[in-house]
Amino acid sequence: ETGVTQTPRHLVMGMTNKKSLKCEQHLGHNAMYWYKQSAKKPLELMFVYNFKEQTENNSVPSRFSPECPNSSHLFLHLHTLQPEDSALYLCASTLAGAKDEQFFGPGTRLTVL
Amino acid sequence: GQQLNQSPQSMFIQEGEDVSMNCTSSSIFNTWLWYKQDPGEGPVLLIALYKAGELTSNGRLTAQFGITRKDSFLNISASIPSDVGIYFCAGHPTYNNNDMRFGAGTRLTVKP
Repeated sequence: ETGVTQTPRHLVMGMTNKKSLKCEQHLGHNAMYWYKQSAKKPLELMFVYNFKEQTENNSVPSRFSPECPNSSHLFLHLHTLQPEDSALYLCASTLAGAKDEQFFGPGTRLTVL
Repeated sequence: GQQLNQSPQSMFIQEGEDVSMNCTSSSIFNTWLWYKQDPGEGPVLLIALYKAGELTSNGRLTAQFGITRKDSFLNISASIPSDVGIYFCAGHPTYNNNDMRFGAGTRLTVKP
């Protein structure tokens, strides 16, 4: 238990569906991240939020839309995804500006049909 | 961008053997981190290194921050079946602490 929770743990969706992934951290952190993990590839940073403000968008397609309503919650809204978007989506958090480890959630395994 | 080259990609070893894996970069890193990921879970930090030359242990695990700041290794001694998983190196290549890069991982299998 790392203090970072993600729901759902598994999601299967069609290309025309709209769904959302949720991340919550109970660690008092103020920076939150979304990563995409595909098989046999390095983790790909998607979005970074510091103090609820988006500070990084790593050239992510607009069919992925993040939302950070407060420092403890992070969402990833999904619409009109492609099969190649199937992957494990990991949320992480840390203290903004700290050269410290990021704490990861267990991930959401997404399958796009 | 600054890529991390992690090797080997996979290892199959016998219980009790020692394991060594490493990560290299073409650029200088300010932090090296080693994570382990179990199936169905997110990565969990094993060891963090913050200074060139630093050698740190965590139980049977030992990691070092290379003196050139472009590499790091992780050793596991006397492996046990629960060491199975994927090990990732990661690091901050610049003073932007949002900029953390990951290696592709080393998948470790331990045969009892």
